[in-house]
Amino acid sequence: QVQLVESGGGVVQPGRSLRLSCAASGFTFSSYGMHWVRQAPGKGLEWVAVIWYDGSNKYYADSVKGRFTISRDNSKNTLYLQMNSLRAEDTAVYYCARDSNRPLGYCSSTSCYMDVWGQGTTVTVSS
Amino acid sequence: AIRITQSPSSLSASTGDRVTITCRASQGISSYLAWYQQKPGKAPKLLIYAASTLQSGVPSRFSGSGSGTDFTLTISCLQSEDFATYYCQQYYSYPQTFGQGTKVEIK
Repeated sequence: QVQLVESGGGVVQPGRSLRLSCAASGFTFSSYGMHWVRQAPGKGLEWVAVIWYDGSNKYYADSVKGRFTISRDNSKNTLYLQMNSLRAEDTAVYYCARDSNRPLGYCSSTSCYMDVWGQGTTVTVSS
Repeated sequence: AIRITQSPSSLSASTGDRVTITCRASQGISSYLAWYQQKPGKAPKLLIYAASTLQSGVPSRFSGSGSGTDFTLTISCLQSEDFATYYCQQYYSYPQTFGQGTKVEIK
């Protein structure tokens, strides 16, 4: 079945780095864009970043631009989020999610909704 | 960035009630709006996309409407498993943005 499994979360000091991974299975990973979405404790959902199916385009939330890098390895069916210069406000559950890859009309020319989500991995930034 | 204002932030309802949640975008987003359901400790689940298209497997008591800037999620007959938090999301442009969420609680 279609599945996304995040890993790599943990407790890290402010200013340090962490890399999250998201292993995909049950679908042709290389055909889908992928997103990272986060949720701070007790708060709502915040979109973080997206990468197109072939890695050719990437977009970031202003809150992480210049600090986080999204990437993928289609040969390993894996999505990554490299997080540098971490701050306390980056503390959250991080979800990877599949871009639905639907035709224009269901989706805009560059952006689409998320139809499959992982279970999340927790990142805590604290000294 | 496009701002999404979702209301109410919470509501109390009984099983069998009709529930309506609204989202307003700060600019027109055509029909590029999705609705998600999230239960405590779980990942969000897609309910509706393109403002009104029901995701496969989602019960027909859920429906969505709207276009442009104003959107609505309706649960026609609330069931016990529907008590959760609901989020709208615009995917018209990046950065994608979510509403603040609506927590549906048992009255």
